[in-house]
Amino acid sequence: EAQVTQNPRYLITVTGKKLTVTCSQNMNHEYMSWYRQDPGLGLRQIYYSMNVEVTDKGDVPEGYKVSRKEKRNFPLILESPSPNQTSLYFCASSLTPPVGGGAGLTDTQYFGPGTRLTVL
Amino acid sequence: KNQVEQSPQSLIILEGKNCTLQCNYTVSPFSNLRWYKQDTGRGPVSLTIMTFSENTKSNGRYTATLDADTKQSSLHITASQLSDSASYICVVSGQAGTALIFGKGTTLSVSS
Repeated sequence: EAQVTQNPRYLITVTGKKLTVTCSQNMNHEYMSWYRQDPGLGLRQIYYSMNVEVTDKGDVPEGYKVSRKEKRNFPLILESPSPNQTSLYFCASSLTPPVGGGAGLTDTQYFGPGTRLTVL
Repeated sequence: KNQVEQSPQSLIILEGKNCTLQCNYTVSPFSNLRWYKQDTGRGPVSLTIMTFSENTKSNGRYTATLDADTKQSSLHITASQLSDSASYICVVSGQAGTALIFGKGTTLSVSS
């Protein structure tokens, strides 16, 4: 079954304690991205990756790191979490980037089930 | 500034009725427009994707329309079901170098 998986699904942590949220897709997609969703603000992109070893900042990258060492995995790292990073996080993937005038114009973007993070 | 505005913010309808959700955008140059359905606590699921050259796209009881001249899109839901209760998100993509621009969504509640 084609899917994007995230772990953990729920996490409560304390300020400053490093954490990693994993994301994995089994569709051989090149493009992967991370979003956070907050009430009243909608989805905002944190980081994205065009392919292995190619990552770039989205709209709200401060306080986050990512890596793309393998095509299927795109972990999100919070080196020193703060309460303002309490949010619902989604990983997403698509065969090609969903922006621009290339072949990705109509590629479906698949979202993971979400990770609800609380930083105390 | 690239923006996507959705209306109404929330909507309550009776099961079996039709409804239409609106999306206005200012993204330019425009590449494509997507509608997603997001159930509470779950990831968004793609409903339709339209490029600038398309003006309608259907997916079962969901029909999206696009007017690239007026920069407006609508999502029409026919014969609503209880399972249609969700948030519907409009997402607009610009040309290369610009990010996806997400609307804040319309929350639809279908009651029996």
